[in-house]
Amino acid sequence: KQEVTQIPAALSVPEGENLVLNCSFTDSAIYNLQWFRQDPGKGLTSLLLIQSSQREQTSGRLNASLDKSSGRSTLYIAASQPGDSATYLCAQGGSEKLVFGKGTKLTVNP
Amino acid sequence: GAGVSQSPRYKVAKRGQDVALRCDPISGHVSLFWYQQALGQGPEFLTYFQNEAQLDKSGLPSDRFFAERPEGSVSTLKIQRTQQEDSAVYLCASSFPPRGTEAFFGQGTRLTVV
Repeated sequence: KQEVTQIPAALSVPEGENLVLNCSFTDSAIYNLQWFRQDPGKGLTSLLLIQSSQREQTSGRLNASLDKSSGRSTLYIAASQPGDSATYLCAQGGSEKLVFGKGTKLTVNP
Repeated sequence: GAGVSQSPRYKVAKRGQDVALRCDPISGHVSLFWYQQALGQGPEFLTYFQNEAQLDKSGLPSDRFFAERPEGSVSTLKIQRTQQEDSAVYLCASSFPPRGTEAFFGQGTRLTVV
């Protein structure tokens, strides 16, 4: 069974800090790895998509990496801001569906 | 529309009542997915359509759950005889093939069964 694990479950940091969120997956037959943001009571907003042939993707202050051999992905957030506070979910894309982790709840304190 | 649209946003149902949740995907997106998200958990796959064909319904938790997409665009997730354990947020996503393309999610429908 495919499993996706996210560590830590929750993280609280002061504004301005750089931080790393971790995601590990068990299935090596991966098509892509997608990172999402979810605000309370809202749907999922796609942040970054890394295809299986890629090693990383960048968007603004966000950088996501993919290491298929170790079954890991990381989301790096530079110079964190209070507006970054949300739950971050990673999802492994297979041939069709996405398999999600439980998320990391991030709080950035002013 | 510009994004995936779901309605209603919130639904309160009495136990035993039938409910229908609607998803309007991004225009031109062939693939449509339904996910269920319990409180504090990540979304769990329910079912997948390619155009009007339901190719995978392995995630539907019971035969009380039924999904359709008759014309290959709008989809409806129906839950019959709702139970308290059905309370969750139901998320719809769409994507355009080929495999490995980005999935776009709607705002979800929060179902509360009382």
